[in-house]
Amino acid sequence: TQLLEQSPQFLSIQEGENLTVYCNSSSVFSSLQWYRQEPGEGPVLLVTVVTGGEVKKLKRLTFQFGDARKDSSLHITAAQPGDTGLYLCAGAVITGGGNKLTFGTGTQLKVEL
Amino acid sequence: AAGVIQSPRHLIKEKRETATLKCYPIPRHDTVYWYQQGPGQDPQFLISFYEKMQSDKGSIPDRFSAQQFSDYHSELNMSSLELGDSALYFCASSFPSGGDNEQFFGPGTRLTVL
Repeated sequence: TQLLEQSPQFLSIQEGENLTVYCNSSSVFSSLQWYRQEPGEGPVLLVTVVTGGEVKKLKRLTFQFGDARKDSSLHITAAQPGDTGLYLCAGAVITGGGNKLTFGTGTQLKVEL
Repeated sequence: AAGVIQSPRHLIKEKRETATLKCYPIPRHDTVYWYQQGPGQDPQFLISFYEKMQSDKGSIPDRFSAQQFSDYHSELNMSSLELGDSALYFCASSFPSGGDNEQFFGPGTRLTVL
């Protein structure tokens, strides 16, 4: 069983602060996807990282894939209340058709004014 | 842009009843995945279909079955419902040969079993 551990589990910060969420596994993934989920809604894809060591930026969000493709991080600069939500990393393993995602344990972020 | 459509959005059933959840993937996506998300849990993979054939199976109970139809929509059939089946059920779709096999999720069906 492939497990993805996310840390921290909960994070409450003030607007303007920076934060980093970590996603770690002992397994190698073909790619890793980061999602954000609002209560009662479906996860929304933020980014996919594929190559070991890859860094992708999405406005104030910076995503990094570990060299060995086992871990990833999400860094948010100058957090805003609109960043509040559940952040999920998901490791992808290619199967017969498409791929199977294993989700991380999630990080609940709350950004306060 | 068109997204994944799921219906119904909310469903209330009694124990031992059956339920059918429907998923309409993004146009031209040929792979569909089903996930179950319990309260405070991360989504758990149930089953997937590629070109109308089952491609992978996760932690799906034997009481559940699913299929993908010729128009690529999928249905998840759940029988002998139990209280523990109450959860959010998500469908996701992807286009395998189109890039990184990214999965796009629908809004989910909230199933409540009383």
